[in-house]
Amino acid sequence: AQKITQTQPGMFVQEKEAVTLDCTYDTSDQSYGLFWYKQPSSGEMIFLIYQGSYDEQNATEGRYSLNFQKARKSANLVISASQLGDSAMYFCAMRSTGTASKLTFGTGTRLQVTL
Amino acid sequence: NAGVTQTPKFQVLKTGQSMTLQCAQDMNHEYMSWYRQDPGMGLRLIHYSVGAGITDQGEVPNGYNVSRSTTEDFPLRLLSAAPSQTSVYFCASTRTTTGELFFGEGSRLTVL
Repeated sequence: AQKITQTQPGMFVQEKEAVTLDCTYDTSDQSYGLFWYKQPSSGEMIFLIYQGSYDEQNATEGRYSLNFQKARKSANLVISASQLGDSAMYFCAMRSTGTASKLTFGTGTRLQVTL
Repeated sequence: NAGVTQTPKFQVLKTGQSMTLQCAQDMNHEYMSWYRQDPGMGLRLIHYSVGAGITDQGEVPNGYNVSRSTTEDFPLRLLSAAPSQTSVYFCASTRTTTGELFFGEGSRLTVL
């Protein structure tokens, strides 16, 4: 069975600083994908970034990067130059190849960006 | 481009009532799914579909039915609502090339 663990229920970061949100995963599959989604207070789920298990480079999307350490089974999200609009809930999720509809989610980390 | 559209956004039911949450997507995605979100538990998969006429159970299917008669639509039915089904429900469709899920805006259901 797959499992995603997010050990930080809440995080604070000052505006313009970088922050790392932790995510560890457990799977016996060799091929899988890792996702991060943002959920602002308005409730919608916003896709941020994706990393495939065979991707050699860490994924980056603008201010978001994914620090993928396969041997440690970790997929931490790094947000650079935090903005007030980054305050939200962040979810790490995983799917195995062949199960494109089926994501396993972590419990989320609530990020608060302060002035 | 509407993406994934869910209705209704809010609904209050009494125990034992039935209802259907509607979901439609206009991206021609084959894969669609329903999740529920409860406090402190992240999102959990209820049912999913890999194409018209094909559905399967997810992690928490009890109390819910689905059908997929067209590629576009994937309704979720509660036949006899229970307070334990109070939750926020998300419909999603999947871009198969990347596995990225596109979510609807969510439907907040309260069962009294």
